[in-house]
Amino acid sequence: GAVVSQHPSRVICKSGTSVKIECRSLDFQATTMFWYRQFPKQSLMLMATSNEGSKATYEQGVEKDKFLINHASLTLSTLTVTSAHPEDSSFYICSARDTSKDTEAFFGQGTRLTVV
Amino acid sequence: GQNIDQPTEMTATEGAIVQINCTYQTSGFNGLFWYQQHAGEAPTFLSYNVLDGLEEKGRFSSFLSRSKGYSYLLLKELQMKDSASYLCAALDSNYQLIWGAGTKLIIKP
Repeated sequence: GAVVSQHPSRVICKSGTSVKIECRSLDFQATTMFWYRQFPKQSLMLMATSNEGSKATYEQGVEKDKFLINHASLTLSTLTVTSAHPEDSSFYICSARDTSKDTEAFFGQGTRLTVV
Repeated sequence: GQNIDQPTEMTATEGAIVQINCTYQTSGFNGLFWYQQHAGEAPTFLSYNVLDGLEEKGRFSSFLSRSKGYSYLLLKELQMKDSASYLCAALDSNYQLIWGAGTKLIIKP
């Protein structure tokens, strides 16, 4: 199947700093990428949907100024957690849709963020 | 509203068969996914159904009934490594995934 690479897999940062997470589709063009966050013992929560070349659509309750999403190319989307706080510590996962297959979504490996 | 229901936890015996059910209510429907997730890892894709019926893929099979808003994942010849959470997710009319909370499957020897 198609491959989505997410980097880094683990990151520890100090409170108040910003962290960037990259999501790349390696062998297909992804016009749409989804960013999820997983809280402990809970399901994945959709944070935002990003379409290549346009602004991301954020889910209710997600701060767009805190979670900056950029999707400037058909193979790369980035999520930047700005001014991170300990409560932002979580598992962040991206997924991308293969436009040729139209519906199937492929997931990145996930990024475990710890803010100290 | 949009909703996905699946059992919170199930227990089965190594070598046996287990069926994990999922019911969904979404605004429009473009398919039903099953993902497997081991603790601390990202989910991995298992199956995708958009037409009614049974799709078999090795030890795993997935069934969909669109009229009933119902799907199940069938796991045969259970192995200890199948212990994981199984997530049901429906694709709505905007192609967004609506996730269930997941079913934790415990396999006993």
